[in-house]
Amino acid sequence: GQNIDQPTEMTATEGAIVQINCTYQTSGFNGLFWYQQHAGEAPTFLSYNVLDGLEEKGRFSSFLSRSKGYSYLLLKELQMKDSASYLCAVRDTGGFKTIFGAGTRLFVKA
Amino acid sequence: NAGVTQTPKFHILKTGQSMTLQCAQDMNHGYMSWYRQDPGMGLRLIYYSAAAGTTDKEVPNGYNVSRLNTEDFPLRLVSAAPSQTSVYLCASSGDLGKTQYFGPGTRLLVL
Repeated sequence: GQNIDQPTEMTATEGAIVQINCTYQTSGFNGLFWYQQHAGEAPTFLSYNVLDGLEEKGRFSSFLSRSKGYSYLLLKELQMKDSASYLCAVRDTGGFKTIFGAGTRLFVKA
Repeated sequence: NAGVTQTPKFHILKTGQSMTLQCAQDMNHGYMSWYRQDPGMGLRLIYYSAAAGTTDKEVPNGYNVSRLNTEDFPLRLVSAAPSQTSVYLCASSGDLGKTQYFGPGTRLLVL
């Protein structure tokens, strides 16, 4: 079956670092995505990993281990505007189908 | 570029009524998809299309789509049911499975 797990909620302090984990079990794998979604808005693309390792983009980094079915999103120097839901998604092999996790709601407090 | 646009933003339907949710993109993207988003459930894929003239469904009942051209990908609820109350998100992608661009969503309430 297809399953993507991530924590439901996390709270962190402004200026700190937070790591959001994602584990997946899917029938195929052709890339893992992280999206950010503010309340009442559409998801926006953050990162894409298809090979093992770390991808860094400014304050955001994403890591993938395909053998472990594991990824994390690392947010540094947290800002209040980072309060949002973070969605982990896996693309199936050879197709367009993308499976999303339920999302992690991140609360950044002062 | 307007990106991905969706209409209406919000609608109320009665059980058994039909309705078409509109989605359009002006980025010349081949891939388009429809998701529904329910609290605590994440995004669930309903239908997708790899190009104009082709569609493939993920959820078996209650929905229909058409892809007559590259820009438009309307989603039709054939006979609405309360279980279809949700936020519907349309997305497009220009390259195979890469970044998806989402529309602002349609919030649908079925009574």
